[in-house]
Amino acid sequence: GQQLNQSPQSMFIQEGEDVSMNCTSSSIFNTWLWYKQDPGEGPVLLIALYKAGELTSNGRLTAQFGITRKDSFLNISASIPSDVGIYFCAGPPDNDMRFGAGTRLTVKP
Amino acid sequence: DTGVSQDPRHKITKRGQNVTFRCDPISEHNRLYWYRQTLGQGPEFLTYFQNEAQLEKSRLLSDRFSAERPKGSFSTLEIQRTEQGDSAMYLCASTQDIDWYGYTFGSGTRLTVV
Repeated sequence: GQQLNQSPQSMFIQEGEDVSMNCTSSSIFNTWLWYKQDPGEGPVLLIALYKAGELTSNGRLTAQFGITRKDSFLNISASIPSDVGIYFCAGPPDNDMRFGAGTRLTVKP
Repeated sequence: DTGVSQDPRHKITKRGQNVTFRCDPISEHNRLYWYRQTLGQGPEFLTYFQNEAQLEKSRLLSDRFSAERPKGSFSTLEIQRTEQGDSAMYLCASTQDIDWYGYTFGSGTRLTVV
C-alpha cells in the first residue's frame, strides 16, 4: 500500500532554533498536507500544497512540494514552546488521506 | 458551529463487549471520515461517507466494525466483540466536497479494551 516515510522520528531542540522535517512517498502525490497533533487532540491542518515545486508559508512555518512529487519538507523557524507536538505529512492517493508516522517535536525553553 | 464533535472522549470496555462511538461533523460538510490511530503512528483510514452513502471501506475495517450515517449528518462507529487490539484513538473528520483536502478532525474517542 501507500507508504509515507517521515524523518526524523523525533527531535529535541532549544527554543529559538529552526526545525526541518521531511516526508517521502513510494509513489507520486498530487497534494501534500502537513498536520500538527497536540496530545489528546485530533490533527490540525497547517499547510496544504497542490503543485510540484510549490513553496507555501504560514507564519513561521514553510513547506515545499518536491519537484519529483514524491517528497515534501516542513520548516519551522524560531521555535517556541507551543510548537511541541507531533507533525504529520499526509496525502490523498485516492478518496482518503494517508498519513506518515509523524515527527515528534520537543522544544526546551 | 464548534467543529467536529466526538462522543465519548474516552471509553474503557471489557474484551468481548460492544461499543459505539458518535461523530457530529461540521453541519455543511458532506464528507465524513473515520480513522484509527494507535500509539506512535499516524491516523489510518477506516471508512468514509458522502452524505449518507458509505463509499469506501479499508481492509482494516473487519466484519466486527460497522459505520453508519443514516441521515447524512452524524455518524456512528460500532465495534462488536471488542478485542485488545482494538484499543486505539478513533478519529472522525469532515470536509466539504469542494474543499476536499481541508479535513477538520474531532478530538477523537480513546478506546481501551481490558
